Amino acid sequence: EVQLVQSGAEVQKPGESLRISCKASGYTFTREWIGWVRQMPGKGLDWMGIVFPGDSETRYSPSFQGQVTISADKSINTAYLQWNDLKASDTGMYYCVRLTSGFLGEWGQGTLVTVSS
Amino acid sequence: EIVMTQSPATLSVSPGERATLSCRASQTVSSNLAWYQQKPGQAPRLLIYGASTRATGIPARFSGSGSGTDFTLTISSLQSEDFAVYYCHQYNNRLQTFGQGTKVEIK
Repeated sequence: EVQLVQSGAEVQKPGESLRISCKASGYTFTREWIGWVRQMPGKGLDWMGIVFPGDSETRYSPSFQGQVTISADKSINTAYLQWNDLKASDTGMYYCVRLTSGFLGEWGQGTLVTVSS
Repeated sequence: EIVMTQSPATLSVSPGERATLSCRASQTVSSNLAWYQQKPGQAPRLLIYGASTRATGIPARFSGSGSGTDFTLTISSLQSEDFAVYYCHQYNNRLQTFGQGTKVEIK
């Protein structure tokens, strides 16, 4: 059974750094793209970007390029989403997703990030 | 960027009735179109991929159709558990995009 287990909720201040994680199991981590989707409070889904753990190739939505870093550690089957300078507008739910032939076959449970002074 | 436009924004339907949701792409996405269901407080769930293939465990009352730029998700007879928000998603392009969602609510 494929599982994506995300790290817990975070409360951070503007300007701080943060990295959230997604532990994958039940499939060969290095062979499939894994990525992140944002959902701001009360809003729809925003595709952020993906990483291929086999060679660490990344692809970002232009809206998120330069704003976040997506990475993966294939030794521990874990993907990451990182911010270096959090803003209040980064508040939202972040979902880890596994790409199966492009579509989002499995979703993590979500990590709620709250940025507030 | 391919813009995905869903209509209507909200659909009011009585239980047992048929619901038809639309999704239009600003340029062709071939059949690389998926639908997801999201209930309050839950992560989205894959319903349909390849425009018309139901995901594992998805009931037959859910069906998808279309190709190119125009797609439809049909729920043949709405059950109480189907009231939710539905998103379309194109994965034809390196830059994947979602529609803004259609909320299916009880009439």
